Amino acid sequence: DGGITQSPKYLFRKEGQNVTLSCEQNLNHDAMYWYRQDPGQGLRLIYYSQIVNDFQKGDIAEGYSVSREKKESFPLTVTSAQKNPTAFYLCASSKNMGATNEKLFFGSGTQLSVL
Amino acid sequence: GENVEQHPSTLSVQEGDSAVIKCTYSDSASNYFPWYKQELGKRPQLIIDIRSNVGEKKDQRIAVTLNKTAKHFSLHITETQPEDSAVYFCAASNGNTPLVFGKGTRLSVIA
Repeated sequence: DGGITQSPKYLFRKEGQNVTLSCEQNLNHDAMYWYRQDPGQGLRLIYYSQIVNDFQKGDIAEGYSVSREKKESFPLTVTSAQKNPTAFYLCASSKNMGATNEKLFFGSGTQLSVL
Repeated sequence: GENVEQHPSTLSVQEGDSAVIKCTYSDSASNYFPWYKQELGKRPQLIIDIRSNVGEKKDQRIAVTLNKTAKHFSLHITETQPEDSAVYFCAASNGNTPLVFGKGTRLSVIA
C-alpha cells in the first residue's frame, strides 16, 4: 500500500530530548492516526485527526503531541515527558472515520529507541 | 469505551490444517470488524472485514464470522500455507471513534 510515508525508519532519542516522527500521505484522506506497537500489546492509539487543524487524544496520549496543519501531514512529537518511548510507531490514514470508509492504510513504521 | 480481547496470543498449525482466531468486543454499538495481517517487518494490511448486518463473509481461504448476540467474531483460515505465518489483529469500531485493536495472534504455519 503506497501513498503513506513515514520517516525516519530508525530514530534514537537521548535523555530529555524531544523527537519528531514524520508522516505524509498523498491519498487525499481526511483522517490520520498514530499507533504505538509494543510486543504483545497490539496497536494502541496515541492521537487521531479527522480533519485539518483538529485532533483528538487516543488511549495513550500522555508524553506525545501532534499537529495537523496540512491534510497530507500528521507529525508526532515524542516529548521528554514520555518516560518509556522505545517502541514501533505506526502512522495510518483512512478516507474518513465512520460510515463505510474506515479501512486503514498504514505507513512502514518508525522504530524509536532510547540511547 | 470499546475493549477488544483476542485469543490465542500464539498459534501453531501444520501446513494444510485450519486456523481459527477469536475476538470478543464490549461495545454493543460496534458495527465494523476488520482483520489485519502483519508479516514480519512489514506494515499491517487489511485482509477481510465484516459489518454487523451480515453473519459471515468469505474470501478464498479466509472467512470471518460474527455473532452479534454474543459479541464475538472469528477469523478462519483453511488449507494454511507457510505464507500465512504472520501476526493477525482483529479490531472493532462503532463508526464514531477510531478502531480499537486486539493484542494480536502470532500464527506459525509449520511445513
